[in-house]
Amino acid sequence: AQSVAQPEDQVNVAEGNPLTVKCTYSVSGNPYLFWYVQYPNRGLQFLLKYITGDNLVKGSYGFEAEFNKSQTSFHLKKPSALVSDSALYFCAVRDRNSGYALNFGKGTSLLVTP
Amino acid sequence: EAGVTQFPSHSVIEKGQTVTLRCDPISGHDNLYWYRRVMGKEIKFLLHFVKESKQDESGMPNNRFLAERTGGTYSTLKVQPAELEDSGVYFCASSTRSSGRTSNEQFFGPGTRLTVL
Repeated sequence: AQSVAQPEDQVNVAEGNPLTVKCTYSVSGNPYLFWYVQYPNRGLQFLLKYITGDNLVKGSYGFEAEFNKSQTSFHLKKPSALVSDSALYFCAVRDRNSGYALNFGKGTSLLVTP
Repeated sequence: EAGVTQFPSHSVIEKGQTVTLRCDPISGHDNLYWYRRVMGKEIKFLLHFVKESKQDESGMPNNRFLAERTGGTYSTLKVQPAELEDSGVYFCASSTRSSGRTSNEQFFGPGTRLTVL
């Protein structure tokens, strides 16, 4: 069985400060890991993915995420937050040995204040 | 390049009625997926098409839901008859075919918000 946990419903950060949105996963095999962002009244937009190789993955809009196999985590980070980063962030996992379906976390609302 | 489009953006129906949602994937994408997010909960997978064939429909909640993708282009998801618990946002996504060592990202549409009264 696959599952994704995003332990924080909301993360508040001041503009210019670093941000972290947490994600841990459970999957029987080796995972593919993804981060998506949803702005109001928009669909989910792909940010980045981990497939294999370097544990630090860089994505769109200055975001990055670090795959940590021992801690089964894939936290999303950005060195300096912008007010425009305020949105809903979803972590997703796919077991590379079973189908194409993505399993999503429940989402974390990020609020960046000026 | 046009993204994934979905129609309608909103639908309000009464319990027992029928609703059909439509998804137009990105041109050339063989893979098409349907997902659903019930209020405050996780986005849940419903099913996956490869061209016109259903590859995985393990997430379909019951036989009131029928998905089709005739001709391997657009897809429809029909709910008949609708129940209160069917309310939520229905997302469609599409992707190109992945090779054995990669997983191509899925591109999502804006979703259809379905409200069953």
